[in-house]
Amino acid sequence: GENVEQHPSTLSVQEGDSAVIKCTYSDSASNYFPWYKQELGKRPQLIIDIRSNVGEKKDQRIAVTLNKTAKHFSLHITETQPEDSAVYFCAAQGTTDSWGKLQFGAGTQVVVTP
Amino acid sequence: DAGITQSPRHKVTETGTPVTLRCHQTENHRYMYWYRQDPGHGLRLIHYSYGVKDTDKGEVSDGYSVSRSKTEDFLLTLESATSSQTSVYFCAIRTGTENSPLHFGNGTRLTVT
Repeated sequence: GENVEQHPSTLSVQEGDSAVIKCTYSDSASNYFPWYKQELGKRPQLIIDIRSNVGEKKDQRIAVTLNKTAKHFSLHITETQPEDSAVYFCAAQGTTDSWGKLQFGAGTQVVVTP
Repeated sequence: DAGITQSPRHKVTETGTPVTLRCHQTENHRYMYWYRQDPGHGLRLIHYSYGVKDTDKGEVSDGYSVSRSKTEDFLLTLESATSSQTSVYFCAIRTGTENSPLHFGNGTRLTVT
């Protein structure tokens, strides 16, 4: 089955700096890669996703890149703000899975200090 | 919130007791999932369903069972709760096909003493 590894587990950044979270996956057939943000005590919420036919996707200060050859994808947050502080999860879904099961990484705690 | 309601939101129970968590959706979506969240492990799939009476096991299904007798309800049962099942449980649905985005409910915090 799919295995997703996420790094780093914690990330501290100064407000205004950029944050980068990296994930690797094992199943070369995976074709869908969402990112979720979870604030303390809240549910995970989808913030951006990318499919395997696209190498990069941006949404305001957030961008995701995908390298299918190396089987890794990354989340980039620019001009970080205190409200970006949260736990971020990457996930992967394979084409061989017809039931939409997502395999999640272990999460990255991002702390943005003013 | 994609019309997902989880109940109860919090529960404390004793080891060995049965516990049932409920996930209710209002929009007749086909795909429903139960995940548990533990520090250092992210979100792990317990069971999932792709229709009424169609369910299957995820990666951490031991000690759990599910039922889906109606499209709108997906029940997760801990037959005999253990302390290792203390966790936050999230229900999730897909609002379209199996390739549509996954949306989570607000979670149930379960403590087994």
